[in-house]
Amino acid sequence: NAGVTQTPKFRVLKTGQSMTLLCAQDMNHEYMYWYRQDPGMGLRLIHYSVGEGTTAKGEVPDGYNVSRLKKQNFLLGLESAAPSQTSVYFCASRKQGNTEAFFGQGTRLTVV
Amino acid sequence: AQSVTQLDSQVPVFEEAPVELRCNYSSSVSVYLFWYVQYPNQGLQLLLKYLSGSTLVKGINGFEAEFNKSQTSFHLRKPSVHISDTAEYFCAVKDTGGFKTIFGAGTRLFVKA
Repeated sequence: NAGVTQTPKFRVLKTGQSMTLLCAQDMNHEYMYWYRQDPGMGLRLIHYSVGEGTTAKGEVPDGYNVSRLKKQNFLLGLESAAPSQTSVYFCASRKQGNTEAFFGQGTRLTVV
Repeated sequence: AQSVTQLDSQVPVFEEAPVELRCNYSSSVSVYLFWYVQYPNQGLQLLLKYLSGSTLVKGINGFEAEFNKSQTSFHLRKPSVHISDTAEYFCAVKDTGGFKTIFGAGTRLFVKA
């Protein structure tokens, strides 16, 4: 039972490059979330999705885009990476009607 | 808007001593409250949650938390910690009708031998 899987686990980007982080869940959860974790700031919500084909902005959406073309996948894109986007990114999913979120192992992104 | 304040960024404690990690929240609506734990280089996992009913909630690994509505607090406690409890702990809040869970900044618990 894989749960929530994030790829890649590590990545180094140069300023201005683009990339996509993939989150996949096999629990048939309706809701999916992308957070970033920075020292002293906890987890901040970037974007979230309440179902296939729908997305919404969280607390810190600028510089990121997302897509939810399939229920099991939630993609986070950086069109033009900046050093301020150096962070650890976590994906989470939650079943409608339940309160517990399940987290992936994280993606450590460094932008130089 | 909801917010969560974890009053201590780091808590050092000796093994077998009791510990309390403090959490206060602000919200104008009814909420659910959570504590998550993050071990080094891992994702977050749920320790315990308060949804309704008894204000004292018991979780995994001997942790418990008490919901105090008048003080808008949800402090986490353990009567006797182990080295293996060394981790970062996050308090989180979600309004009962909403989609988003908001996290605090985290408290790093360091258990010393």
